[in-house]
Formats: sequence, C-alpha cells, structure tokens
Amino acid sequence: RKEVEQDPGPFNVPEGATVAFNCTYSNSASQSFFWYRQDCRKEPKLLMSVYSSGNEDGRFTAQLNRASQYISLLIRDSKLSDSATYLCVVKGSGTYKYIFGTGTRLKVLA
Amino acid sequence: SAVISQKPSRDICQRGTSLTIQCQVDSQVTMMFWYRQQPGQSLTLIATANQGSEATYESGFVIDKFPISRPNLTFSTLTVSNMSPEDSSIYLCSVVARVNTEAFFGQGTRLTVV
Repeated sequence: RKEVEQDPGPFNVPEGATVAFNCTYSNSASQSFFWYRQDCRKEPKLLMSVYSSGNEDGRFTAQLNRASQYISLLIRDSKLSDSATYLCVVKGSGTYKYIFGTGTRLKVLA
Repeated sequence: SAVISQKPSRDICQRGTSLTIQCQVDSQVTMMFWYRQQPGQSLTLIATANQGSEATYESGFVIDKFPISRPNLTFSTLTVSNMSPEDSSIYLCSVVARVNTEAFFGQGTRLTVV
C-alpha cells in the first residue's frame, strides 16, 4: 500500500460546481498535512495546511479525519483558474520526510 | 515564506556528462530536499541535503549518481552524474524553514538528456 494515495482523476467539472478530493495515508502517526496545487510545468505551491479542526480559505475547505486516516479538499464555485493538479502531502511523526500523493487532476470546463 | 532560486531552469545535455543544479534560499532553513518529477508523475524524494555532512538518500538513489552538497543553511547543489536519457526529468529543490511547517519549492530544472 502506498503511503499516500489519491484518485488521479481527471475530474472534469463545469464552472460553478463543487468538487471534493480525498487522500488517504497509511501512517497513523503522521503529524502534518497539506494540500498543494501544481500547474502544468510549474513547481508545487502550498494551497493550504490541514488542521485537526478543519480549516477554510475562501472557496476552499480542508478537513482531516484521523480515525479513518484521510484528508479532504472541497472546492466550491469552481473557476476555470482552479484547473490544476492537487497534491496531498503528509509528514509523519519522528521523520523529516514529506510524502507526496500522486496528485488529482482537476479540469474546470466553461 | 522562503524565496528559492534554482538554476539552471532547463538544460539539454549529452549522455555521459554531468550537470550540477544549484538551489539558493534567501533565509536560513532547517531542511533542504531534492526531488525528481517525471512527466505525469508525482514527486519522488531523492535525498535530504544535510548541512556539513553527507546527504541522506532514499531507496533507489545513490551518492555516486546524485552527489549533493550543502555547505551552509541557505545553499545546496545536486549533481546528476554520467547522465543517460532515463535521467530526463524535472528536478526540484525544496526547503522547510521549521520542523512541521510547509515546504517551499524552487522553480525546477527541466533536464533533457540526448
């Protein structure tokens, strides 16, 4: 089993739609969780950190479920500019390594 | 956030040669990492660059092929040695300022080996 797993997609959604991505992780001792966005031919950039209580930033909401070992990202009112690959990143306890999921491709269609 | 300058941004190299990629950060950081990203794939960690000592390599990566230096807290280099077409990829420098905080990335080096 991979340490961090994501549905690769692509998710093709119309503008204005709500879309959700899930990411599962295998190490129950994992400490830190993040969502990154990567545009084509660009480096990954932090979208948001994921906190135990969940957090929201505008149209984006991230949640953590430690019992089931998954994190989620919800995008409301999708824009064309949201089209990108979304990477789930997990850092374990007692390790310095950041483990990346394979990424989920999102295409928002006009 | 850290500002990272990674050079070169791209290169086309002959097989059998070596390329050194530089990563410069505008502030002192705790951790520096080197990743590889092949087309359509996610990021694979090559190694952690340790200041003043040998890098820590992940399974499948060795020092002879990917020598890494980190002379101080703001600079690191990755060399891709004796290149073959299979080394064609994007190489990314990443830094973490403090433990358990987010990672930042350089712009990447797009390497093509012919």
